Amino acid sequence: GAVVSQHPSWVICKSGTSVKIECRSLDFQATTMFWYRQFPKQSLMLMATSNEGSKATYEQGVEKDKFLINHASLTLSTLTVTSAHPEDSSFYICSASVAGGPIDTDTQYFGPGTRLTVL
Amino acid sequence: EDQVTQSPEALRLQEGESSSLNCSYTVSGLRGLFWYRQDPGKGPEFLFTLYSAGEEKEKERLKATLTKKESFLHITAPKPEDSATYLCAVQARGGGSNYKLTFGKGTLLTVNP
Repeated sequence: GAVVSQHPSWVICKSGTSVKIECRSLDFQATTMFWYRQFPKQSLMLMATSNEGSKATYEQGVEKDKFLINHASLTLSTLTVTSAHPEDSSFYICSASVAGGPIDTDTQYFGPGTRLTVL
Repeated sequence: EDQVTQSPEALRLQEGESSSLNCSYTVSGLRGLFWYRQDPGKGPEFLFTLYSAGEEKEKERLKATLTKKESFLHITAPKPEDSATYLCAVQARGGGSNYKLTFGKGTLLTVNP
């Protein structure tokens, strides 16, 4: 149980183009989804938090116009990197959780990640 | 500001050599402390959640414990397949319905056969 998928698993794009990454909770309905970025040999840095049907909440220093997040349903969130540049190259990971109810339901379950390379 | 410090940064063990990883934290009201395992190029895999001091949880060769200031992940008789980066994260109270995680930098564990 608690499986989260991401698509694509890796993507290479040219500078200036936009890239969309999908995050799906496969066997549960996620109240909240989170997007993280991880640079080599570093830990996860939270970019934004999104609830279904609401605008995402971005962490300080994360450009909301560059990293567009849509949480259209309880099982799908998307991250679009607009006008990508080489410095946006990173490992992007999403997670999903269910708020309320039994105590363990606030645990975040992570997807496998998406490796973005911008040339 | 919530902070998580993990030590050591890297640990090499021989197969069967037991050891412990440390996670020290400061948080304005702990709601939960989480341990994850991350393999290279993969997303973190959930291991344990601990909620109150004195709590312990076990899974196969791993045992997690919690005090008011730190958590330990004990690895008993590790095998090469236990090699991974182990991440500790804290979740603070008062987060509404969006309980954010603050992660440590992780401990890279290598178990040699």
